[in-house]
Amino acid sequence: ILNVEQSPQSLHVQEGDSTNFTCSFPSSNFYALHWYRWETAKSPEALFVMTLNGDEKKKGRISATLNTKEGYSYLYIKGSQPEDSATYLCAPLGQAGTALIFGKGTTLSVSS
Amino acid sequence: EPEVTQTPSHQVTQMGQEVILRCVPISNHLYFYWYRQILGQKVEFLVSFYNNEISEKSEIFDDQFSVERPDGSNFTLKIRSTKLEDSAMYFCASEGLTETEAFFGQGTRLTVV
Repeated sequence: ILNVEQSPQSLHVQEGDSTNFTCSFPSSNFYALHWYRWETAKSPEALFVMTLNGDEKKKGRISATLNTKEGYSYLYIKGSQPEDSATYLCAPLGQAGTALIFGKGTTLSVSS
Repeated sequence: EPEVTQTPSHQVTQMGQEVILRCVPISNHLYFYWYRQILGQKVEFLVSFYNNEISEKSEIFDDQFSVERPDGSNFTLKIRSTKLEDSAMYFCASEGLTETEAFFGQGTRLTVV
């Protein structure tokens, strides 16, 4: 089970602001990294699965990058909207077949 | 679109009673998980299940907890003697391969009184 740190713990932005947050993990023994979005009263929703150093993935206004050598992934949201308000969770995997262990998440609140 | 389904959506039980939470994972998935979230706290991993056996479990998953895949479709979490602190949302998830995304059910809210 890999240790994972997410920062900041919470974030409050205005509608239209762009923002980013970090998922840090041990750079040795990396297999894959998952990003999920979790809205209140709903179940977690998968955003990205990243496996290669230098990977960049995009879904609408949300994108993520991965640096396995230094052990971090950034999640970016361009032009935040109130519906982006959620907790964003990452889960790094050290090897295939291991469990998804989430970090504590970054809770984003977007005001209109 | 395939989905993970959980039943019941809400379960109220007396302290000390046994509860079984049920999940129907996506049919061709291989990895199954239970997580819980106590109100206001982070999502906590309980257990993962692969090839008909537990592959990992957390410290939370003590002898009071057990999981089964009795018929090849359902995936159940049993709590033998519930405690007040077991009150939480319990989420089931399934995954095809670890390079792919996991799909979560809508959760079962367990309230122990």
